[in-house]
Amino acid sequence: DSGVTQTPKHLITATGQRVTLRCSPRSGDLSVYWYQQSLDQGLQFLIQYYNGEERAKGNILERFSAQQFPDLHSELNLSSLELGDSALYFCASSQPGLAGYEQFFGPGTRLTVL
Amino acid sequence: SQKIEQNSEALNIQEGKTATLTCNYTNYSPAYLQWYRQDPGRGPVFLLLIRENEKEKRKERLKVTFDTTLKQSLFHITASQPADSATYLCALDETGFQKLVFGTGTRLLVSP
Repeated sequence: DSGVTQTPKHLITATGQRVTLRCSPRSGDLSVYWYQQSLDQGLQFLIQYYNGEERAKGNILERFSAQQFPDLHSELNLSSLELGDSALYFCASSQPGLAGYEQFFGPGTRLTVL
Repeated sequence: SQKIEQNSEALNIQEGKTATLTCNYTNYSPAYLQWYRQDPGRGPVFLLLIRENEKEKRKERLKVTFDTTLKQSLFHITASQPADSATYLCALDETGFQKLVFGTGTRLLVSP
């Protein structure tokens, strides 16, 4: 158990809908990262937050947005869903968010868009 | 363009042998490199981190080397066990702020 929790574990929805994925980092970790993993793309970095502020962005679609709240939990919002958004979404956390720190991954949310 | 390459074919070895996995990268100058293990349907688990000024790092049966001239890292598991069967991912920090870029991973299968 990494100490990172993600809810829900599974999500099945239809195209065009909007969903919210939730992540609670390990106690004391200030940085939260979101990743998308699909069969053809591997593990792709989406976005990083550090103590409530956005720090780095990957190839995150405009239909996707995220935020980190004062209690450090984070949410990833996916809207206007398409079939291709079906994937495993992982949240990870780390300590200061500086270089050289391992990331602790949550169990993931499996999103299926029908 | 920037690329991280890991052998996409599965690596099959016998229990007790040493498994060696390769991670090659181009157009990056990472200060450090990380290795993770991922089991099907689960989140990656951190194994080792090696910095650019370190040639080798060990942890129990695991060993990682980092050659910044060759732009290559090798990951070794000695005395492999069936429980070591998993996908192993290497990752580089693209920005120095933990924006990790992952390779596609190599699946290791250890047969009894």
